[in-house]
Amino acid sequence: QKEVEQDPGPLSVPEGAIVSLNCTYSNSAFQYFMWYRQYSRKGPELLMYTYSSGNKEDGRFTAQVDKSSKYISLFIRDSQPSDSATYLCAMSAGGFKTIFGAGTRLFVKA
Amino acid sequence: EAQVTQNPRYLITVTGKKLTVTCSQNMNHEYMSWYRQDPGLGLRQIYYSMNVEVTDKGDVPEGYKVSRKEKRNFPLILESPSPNQTSLYFCASSLSTATDTQYFGPGTRLTVL
Repeated sequence: QKEVEQDPGPLSVPEGAIVSLNCTYSNSAFQYFMWYRQYSRKGPELLMYTYSSGNKEDGRFTAQVDKSSKYISLFIRDSQPSDSATYLCAMSAGGFKTIFGAGTRLFVKA
Repeated sequence: EAQVTQNPRYLITVTGKKLTVTCSQNMNHEYMSWYRQDPGLGLRQIYYSMNVEVTDKGDVPEGYKVSRKEKRNFPLILESPSPNQTSLYFCASSLSTATDTQYFGPGTRLTVL
């Protein structure tokens, strides 16, 4: 079993839809939770960062962490074609190692 | 402009021919890391470096070497590449640890025939 599980998709939604992206994990030591966005032929870039449990909101994006269920989510409101990308969850227990999910490919249709 | 650069961006080589992929950052970051990205497997960490002359293995270090002689540079060395090392490689850097924001390079697509 992988430490971090993420459905690779692809996920296709119409413009304006609410998108929900999720990851589950098995290592209860993870304390730092991140979402990276990766456009085609580019490197990943950090989108959202959460420490421990709870919610964090930034514009149209909301990150949620439920440590009791070992489950994290990223919500995108009013999705736009420019949101079409691969979204990778990432987690760390601290220190020098980060574990990434496989990434979910998202397509937002105009 | 703050950035991580990698060279080359694309490389096709043959089995056993030693190669080096360079990585450089201009943000004075202490932490640097190499990842490979494969379909269905996501990003997997190969090696990382906490500072000059300090490196350690990630999850998939077999067949790779690294060095950190200067703070800004972190080359990835494949001494005898094999076809299973065909992949997309990313270098990343952050201020001091993996929990700081990691800034990624543009990637190097390597094909080993």
